[in-house]
Amino acid sequence: QQQVKQSPQSLIVQKGGISIINCAYENTAFDYFPWYQQFPGKGPALLIAIRPDVSEKKEGRFTISFNKSAKQFSLHIMDSQPGDSATYFCAASTLSGYSTLTFGKGTMLLVSP
Amino acid sequence: DAGVTQSPTHLIKTRGQQVTLRCSPKSGHDTVSWYQQALGQGPQFIFQYYEEEERQRGNFPDRFSGHQFPNYSSELNVNALLLGDSALYLCASSFQGSDEQYFGPGTRLTVT
Repeated sequence: QQQVKQSPQSLIVQKGGISIINCAYENTAFDYFPWYQQFPGKGPALLIAIRPDVSEKKEGRFTISFNKSAKQFSLHIMDSQPGDSATYFCAASTLSGYSTLTFGKGTMLLVSP
Repeated sequence: DAGVTQSPTHLIKTRGQQVTLRCSPKSGHDTVSWYQQALGQGPQFIFQYYEEEERQRGNFPDRFSGHQFPNYSSELNVNALLLGDSALYLCASSFQGSDEQYFGPGTRLTVT
């Protein structure tokens, strides 16, 4: 049973374009939604996160859009650069005080020069 | 300020053997979580330690066990290794009550 579904599995975007990755969740108890970026041979790095009390959060070229009623959230990468080429994971956790993350399966992004 | 560190970087073991992986949390963090990441998959939660006790556990068998030391560092032990245990093992640290988890570089375990 996959609690966080992520799409697409892979994505190719031209330099300067917008990369969009989508996630959907099932557990309505989830209330913290981070995105992680992972380069080959490295651990995941926290990129940006959102809580369901806001519909959008922006940090530099990265934006999370959140739709609580649809139980969906997405990552937008504006002005995508070749250095953004990596695997991106969405995740979710509950505010149980223990904060254990449930991850999507990942999206491999390639930004072509 | 040192981030999360893990050792060793790579490890090759034979089926049936036992392995111990180590993790030092980010400075100021007191909670350590372990995740298993199979090739091409997202990390899966194994267990979490706080105040030297396991307080949350994912869907992993008892062959997976852990420990947290008074300095907040942690170990992951896997007994009776199976070929399917081959994966990247990630340690993440956080401050109790905070949602933000920071990952180490991982230990790549290969079971032959």
